[in-house]
Amino acid sequence: GAGVSQSPRYKVAKRGQDVALRCDPISGHVSLFWYQQALGQGPEFLTYFQNEAQLDKSGLPSDRFFAERPEGSVSTLKIQRTQQEDSAVYLCASSSRQVQQPQHFGDGTRLSIL
Amino acid sequence: QKEVEQNSGPLSVPEGAIASLNCTYSDRGSQSFFWYRQYSGKSPELIMFIYSNGDKEDGRFTAQLNKASQYVSLLIRDSQPSDSATYLCAVNAKGSQGNLIFGKGTKLSVKP
Repeated sequence: GAGVSQSPRYKVAKRGQDVALRCDPISGHVSLFWYQQALGQGPEFLTYFQNEAQLDKSGLPSDRFFAERPEGSVSTLKIQRTQQEDSAVYLCASSSRQVQQPQHFGDGTRLSIL
Repeated sequence: QKEVEQNSGPLSVPEGAIASLNCTYSDRGSQSFFWYRQYSGKSPELIMFIYSNGDKEDGRFTAQLNKASQYVSLLIRDSQPSDSATYLCAVNAKGSQGNLIFGKGTKLSVKP
């Protein structure tokens, strides 16, 4: 597709459930980033992939968060045993090279934990 | 800790005026600077990026970078009501893997 595609757009889950969020980056983009955006805040970095390699996961808030990009294209962010503080918008971005190149964002997944 | 600071606003300007949005950053080694526009409920949209000291113009938008002062700004000329949004400043720090550090954003309101 022409842009970064994320699904689902909205996800409601009960506390304790596991969720999986999908990101399909711009075709040919090597770099893929996940960010978390709380209401009224700027996005905060979670993790970064270069092709299939996860090179930085320093922003993941706990070991309940896990991300993968097995074939270097589509990525999945998984949150296990969700908690209310996980409620946020999860944004995926991709860029054509590793550093300095502008990142283009998907529409995000709005996650609400009840 | 690496930080990016923005005035949260709201910044209100009349239609046709120049809107000036400012951003400071703490990491002197920062190399790349980006401005994103975010409408309510939407994702960030890239507006401008700048790597070198000075000005960079694109249509009604001008990004200004002063690395010595650790300051980057965005000017919007002939502001339109459709420019009303939150503007996010983002910095890609030297030595990072490419992840962006965002400010909290400045909310701009352009009054007709």
